[in-house]
Amino acid sequence: DAKTTQPPSMDCAEGRAANLPCNHSTISGNEYVYWYRQIHSQGPQYIIHGLKNNETNEMASLIITEDRKSSTLILPHATLRDTAVYYCIVLLNAGNNRKLIWGLGTSLAVNP
Amino acid sequence: KAGVTQTPRYLIKTRGQQVTLSCSPISGHRSVSWYQQTPGQGLQFLFEYFSETQRNKGNFPGRFSGRQFSNSRSEMNVSTLELGDSALYLCASSLQGGEKLFFGSGTQLSVL
Repeated sequence: DAKTTQPPSMDCAEGRAANLPCNHSTISGNEYVYWYRQIHSQGPQYIIHGLKNNETNEMASLIITEDRKSSTLILPHATLRDTAVYYCIVLLNAGNNRKLIWGLGTSLAVNP
Repeated sequence: KAGVTQTPRYLIKTRGQQVTLSCSPISGHRSVSWYQQTPGQGLQFLFEYFSETQRNKGNFPGRFSGRQFSNSRSEMNVSTLELGDSALYLCASSLQGGEKLFFGSGTQLSVL
């Protein structure tokens, strides 16, 4: 099973870009990388996902290395409301058996 | 469109009792998955239901069970509660399962 490794915590100044790294060195060719975040006392919230190419949406950008062994989630202009735990996850797909393997995530603190 | 609804929000039980948690997915979503979240373990996958059938299962004892009804609503049951079952139980729904998940706010279970 592909697993992910993330730093346990990071800090970022408000208004600056937050770059959250994730290592998934055992990822296989058909596995997607997903990012979620969890604000205290709430359920996780989907942010973005990708396979090979870089992706961007209204929330963030996802940069995946060419060998797909690591990725970076970029919040271009972090705000205090972006303070949360960010999870990088690899989607396992074996026929109908799909399950996300969650790590402990990165606790991002955005400071004023 | 209403989000994922979990009830109750908080629950206090004693050891040996059983508990039933409820999850109403987003309208049109056929997949419901359940997760246990504790501070030291992060999110642990319990099981996934799709069209009333359990499609995938995590590594939890048989005391943890679930079901899904024809309207896609799901329940999970924990029998013979143990202190270690104290956790936040999260439900997530998706259209087909495994892709973008939408989480509820969870049920915080305390076992005394």
